[in-house]
Amino acid sequence: SQQGEEDPQALSIQEGENATMNCSYKTSINNLQWYRQNSGRGLVHLILIRSNEREKHSGRLRVTLDTSKKSSSLLITASRAADTASYFCAGTGTASKLTFGTGTRLQVTL
Amino acid sequence: DTGVSQDPRHKITKRGQNVTFRCDPISEHNRLYWYRQTLGQGPEFLTYFQNEAQLEKSRLLSDRFSAERPKGSFSTLEIQRTEQGDSAMYLCAGVRTSGYNEQFFGPGTRLTVL
Repeated sequence: SQQGEEDPQALSIQEGENATMNCSYKTSINNLQWYRQNSGRGLVHLILIRSNEREKHSGRLRVTLDTSKKSSSLLITASRAADTASYFCAGTGTASKLTFGTGTRLQVTL
Repeated sequence: DTGVSQDPRHKITKRGQNVTFRCDPISEHNRLYWYRQTLGQGPEFLTYFQNEAQLEKSRLLSDRFSAERPKGSFSTLEIQRTEQGDSAMYLCAGVRTSGYNEQFFGPGTRLTVL
């Protein structure tokens, strides 16, 4: 069963706009990761934020983590058509397996 | 490109047949994970290996499923007596023990059971 949920489930924006996705999780984590998945393909690791970090940047990506609320957000700035994909958050707890959410499907139109 | 390869990329089989998938991580990946993903859902953990030792198995991994990682390099996932409910994308991921558990996924094997 899924342990997390992304919100919204689907998001459609125009190129150049910012996209914000939220993730909630249920159990304690050591770190939280975001992945991208293009249709029918494998997952690509985007960014990892440790449980003692509150914000992290990587290029056009900004991730926040609020462990008190068990939530994280991913912001993609100046979106491009190539950002069209599904985005998943995944937490790592005491075991090293990843527990994924249900994903946000992002559509960036020209 | 993560360097993790999976074979085959697609497999169509009839119910009741056995299938075997292979995953080849890069040499630095001490840990190797298998996940299953059904349409519209996130990946779900199946099992993982630390080198050649299988350290954890999910309840999703019924006794029809078996995984191996001989010599701690490539891994195989076998499904016996396939059922239509086994239709899914099977993903493997490699991890360097020295990192923070960033997982590097292969392209997946899409299984369709008719």
